Amino acid sequence: GAGVSQSPRYKVAKRGQDVALRCDPISGHVSLFWYQQALGQGPEFLTYFQNEAQLDKSGLPSDRFFAERPEGSVSTLKIQRTQQEDSAVYLCASSLSGTSGEETQYFGPGTRLLVL
Amino acid sequence: SQKIEQNSEALNIQEGKTATLTCNYTNYSPAYLQWYRQDPGRGPVFLLLIRENEKEKRKERLKVTFDTTLKQSLFHITASQPADSATYLCAPCIDYKLSFGAGTTVTVRA
Repeated sequence: GAGVSQSPRYKVAKRGQDVALRCDPISGHVSLFWYQQALGQGPEFLTYFQNEAQLDKSGLPSDRFFAERPEGSVSTLKIQRTQQEDSAVYLCASSLSGTSGEETQYFGPGTRLLVL
Repeated sequence: SQKIEQNSEALNIQEGKTATLTCNYTNYSPAYLQWYRQDPGRGPVFLLLIRENEKEKRKERLKVTFDTTLKQSLFHITASQPADSATYLCAPCIDYKLSFGAGTTVTVRA
């Protein structure tokens, strides 16, 4: 079966541009997570969905970051008016139910965003 | 605030030896701790999970310990192989939320 897929794999944006990053989770997975990974660092939690409900957005760094999952499957992370400090790899992960720390999270390959 | 620290130095070891990685955390009490492997240009891949009431967990050549008093987990790769070369991330978890360390890069020389 297919794993988590993300697109685009690479994105170069000019400062001030809006970008949209897509995540296709594993079919049937209820929970979806977005992480930001800076160079040389571990992934940092951004936001969490259970089906279409965004239950936690405490990690979103500013109001320029917005995530949605309208039908409970595909998710989009949007960054408005990109800044150079937004340059990072954005990882998406899904899990079967995601309600406890016992669940494995399955990660996509990430989208590498470079803001010039 | 919560803090997770892994070996700050990269680990270079000879094939066949055991690699031991350290993960220390402060200011919280996770019920579980997960370890992931990450290769360059790829997302993390789950390896092992250990619960707070478990002292040790094994899977093939991998062994994880979890000491909630010391707030520390150790991750061992025994009989290491060049294919084990990667970055290893520890992730203490509370409820659904994983908090990752910066990772330790392991290189196994043939």
